[in-house]
Amino acid sequence: GNSVTQMEGPVTLSEEAFLTINCTYTATGYPSLFWYVQYPGEGLQLLLKATKADDKGSNKGFEATYRKETTSFHLEKGSVQVSDSAVYFCALRLQGGSEKLVFGKGTKLTVNP
Amino acid sequence: KAGVTQTPRYLIKTRGQQVTLSCSPISGHRSVSWYQQTPGQGLQFLFEYFSETQRNKGNFPGRFSGRQFSNSRSEMNVSTLELGDSALYLCASSLDGAVGQFFGPGTRLTVL
Repeated sequence: GNSVTQMEGPVTLSEEAFLTINCTYTATGYPSLFWYVQYPGEGLQLLLKATKADDKGSNKGFEATYRKETTSFHLEKGSVQVSDSAVYFCALRLQGGSEKLVFGKGTKLTVNP
Repeated sequence: KAGVTQTPRYLIKTRGQQVTLSCSPISGHRSVSWYQQTPGQGLQFLFEYFSETQRNKGNFPGRFSGRQFSNSRSEMNVSTLELGDSALYLCASSLDGAVGQFFGPGTRLTVL
């Protein structure tokens, strides 16, 4: 079946550290890939996306590259801030008419000053 | 442009009752999806509506139902509530043809 696997959290970093959150997927066809972020008490915010192989999504200093050969979409940021503390979700959307998203379990990130 | 709004934000119900949650999508968005978020199961897709028609459905019992109105607003209903239905229910809308869903703040349902 279609699924997304994220690295287990929680992840704790110091401010200005480098961040990587691993995400791999299993899907038929060529899915679109997303990273969403959820701050405490809020809904999900779309962070970045990529719709085809080798696309790089980027936003607010975060980046992720769609790697079809390794079925991965790892999230990276060069220098995290305390305000980046949140839960990050990797997700895929299959080709076709539906907007249905399949999510990973989420990775909680805490950044300490 | 206003974002996705959901009402109410918090609900407390008892087992056996039913509940209706409401979602207003971003103006112009015709696709509305619902998700259930729990600590144990994570984010799970409930159903998707497009132009008043259910386009996709997740693996939930028939107690969970939904509908969409001509103005794209959507409601979901849960009948005969169980303790395990306690969750954050998230609504998301998207623009047909674009890639990416935009989520509301959610409705926190607690079943006692």
